[in-house]
Amino acid sequence: DTAVSQTPKYLVTQMGNDKSIKCEQNLGHDTMYWYKQDSKKFLKIMFSYNNKELIINETVPNRFSPKSPDKAHLNLHINSLELGDSAVYFCASREQGTTYGYTFGSGTRLTVV
Amino acid sequence: SQKIEQNSEALNIQEGKTATLTCNYTNYSPAYLQWYRQDPGRGPVFLLLIRENEKEKRKERLKVTFDTTLKQSLFHITASQPADSATYLCADAGNNRKLIWGLGTSLAVNP
Repeated sequence: DTAVSQTPKYLVTQMGNDKSIKCEQNLGHDTMYWYKQDSKKFLKIMFSYNNKELIINETVPNRFSPKSPDKAHLNLHINSLELGDSAVYFCASREQGTTYGYTFGSGTRLTVV
Repeated sequence: SQKIEQNSEALNIQEGKTATLTCNYTNYSPAYLQWYRQDPGRGPVFLLLIRENEKEKRKERLKVTFDTTLKQSLFHITASQPADSATYLCADAGNNRKLIWGLGTSLAVNP
């Protein structure tokens, strides 16, 4: 199936831990994104990579570090997790320069306890 | 600051009727206004995109209109079905090309 797939789907962890979320797309898109959706359902962009190059880096704590080993993968590593990091994290991709919309993964629900 | 606003109240309609959802924007002019559907526990799914110089776009039972005078986009679902029940989000790239999202409007289509 052509898609954006992210793992894990659920992540429950204790405060202070370090965790990673992985994302892969097989759509051939050149741009990938990480979004955070909070409890109020507001979608906020965190990072964007175009062909492995960071192009958007919003005001996000530096505990969050994206890594793009190639244009089909964008992983998110979070250090020293805090309660406020609990949210749903979505990976998305699109082909830059087109007028097609974004393709989203199904999300990773992160719960920090 | 650039903003996109959607009606936060849930919309309840009867099956077969036309659902109309509103997206208002302030302090900028959208370039590519997009509509997405989000089901609980899933990521947003792209539905339609309308450009700033287009008045209307259609796809099957979906229609999007763009009124630059009113600073508004309307999203219509004709002959609505219970399976259309979901949250509908509008978004636009804004002036700096970072996607700005509305909070979404929840639609419930009653059989």
